[in-house]
Order: sequence, then structure tokens, then C-alpha cells
Amino acid sequence: GEDVEQSLFLSVREGDSSVINCTYTDSSSTYLYWYKQEPGAGLQLLTYIFSNMDMKQDQRLTVLLNKKDKHLSLRIADTQTGDSAIYFCAESIRKLTFGSGTQLTVLP
Amino acid sequence: NAGVMQNPRHLVRRRGQEARLRCSPMKGHSHVYWYRQLPEEGLKFMVYLQKENIIDESGMPKERFSAEFPKEGPSILRIQQVVRGDSAAYFCASSLDRTGEYGYTFGSGTRLTVV
Repeated sequence: GEDVEQSLFLSVREGDSSVINCTYTDSSSTYLYWYKQEPGAGLQLLTYIFSNMDMKQDQRLTVLLNKKDKHLSLRIADTQTGDSAIYFCAESIRKLTFGSGTQLTVLP
Repeated sequence: NAGVMQNPRHLVRRRGQEARLRCSPMKGHSHVYWYRQLPEEGLKFMVYLQKENIIDESGMPKERFSAEFPKEGPSILRIQQVVRGDSAAYFCASSLDRTGEYGYTFGSGTRLTVV
């Protein structure tokens, strides 16, 4: 079955790195995604990784995938106050299944 | 390319009325997905449509909810006889194909409030 889990909250200081973790259950997921949602807004695709990759880097974002443990993480380097938002991971098997989201708070 | 367009952005309905939510996918996208986000919760899948066909409606409540994606025009999510528990943000996403290789693009959502 499809189930995606995330921790609910994360607080970091401005300039530090943030690491948001996610676990999923369906090993047949082909793509795994990270979306960002700011208050009152829709979902913005940040990055995604194909299931045969271990890592993907895109500017300040680094995605790590441990397929054996079904663990996905998103690292945001040099976190800024504008990064405060809810971050959702999602797996794709013909449709997206989302985790409950991690509320990232960046403290000055 | 205007992206995924949803309207209205905000919709207020009295209990018992009907709500119609519209979604125009990105140009060239023929796969449309509807999701519901209850306050303080994540997104829950409702239905997946591909032009004129419902592919997966496993997340749709059995009663009062229906969806269509006609050959011409936007996809419509219809909620009949709305109740307070239907108050939520409804998001539509579109994709180029069903593999997800090119990602899913979301609209800004319709926030439904039932009073």
C-alpha cells in the first residue's frame, strides 16, 4: 500500500542547514518529489528524484534517497526566512501520495 | 503558458447548495488530478482523470461528489448538497503523462467554505 510519513515540525536558525526527512512504504515508486506550500498558497514543485538515483543537487537543495530503507530527505543549505513554509514529500505510482507535511520555521 | 488555472479562488456556499470547482490544466497536459486539503492536514487524493475518462476515483466520497474532464473545457469537481465538513482547499494538478517523469503542476487551489 501507499503511505508516506514525515515529522510535523522543524525549527532552524537562519543560515543553518535544514534537513527534512520522509519515509515511504511502496517500493515500486518511480519518482519522489518535494513540494513547498506557503500560507494560503498552492504547491510549488521544488525538486524530484528518480528512484534509481541516490542523490540530486539543485543549488541550495540536496535530495538523498535510500531506497533500501525507503527514506528520502531534503537538505536546504543556508536556510533563509523565506524558506519558512510547509514541505511535503510525495511518491508517485500513477498518482501522487503525499506525506502530512513538515512545518519549517526559520528563526532569525 | 499560464500554468494550471483554478477558479474560483474562494467559494462560499450554504449547507445544501452545490459547489462547482473548475480546473484548466497546463497546455498540452491531458492528465488531471484533484486533491483535498483539510485545515492543518496534508493533501488527500480524490480522483484522476484523463480526457473524458475517470481513471482512478478511489479517493472520492461515494455520495455527493463527482468529477468530469470533458473533451473541450476545464475539468469540473462538483459537490452536491454541501455540508460543513466539505470546507477545505481543493487543489488540481496536471501532468504530461501518467508516469510522473515530468512532474505534476498544481494550481493555486479553490478554498471552499460552507456556512
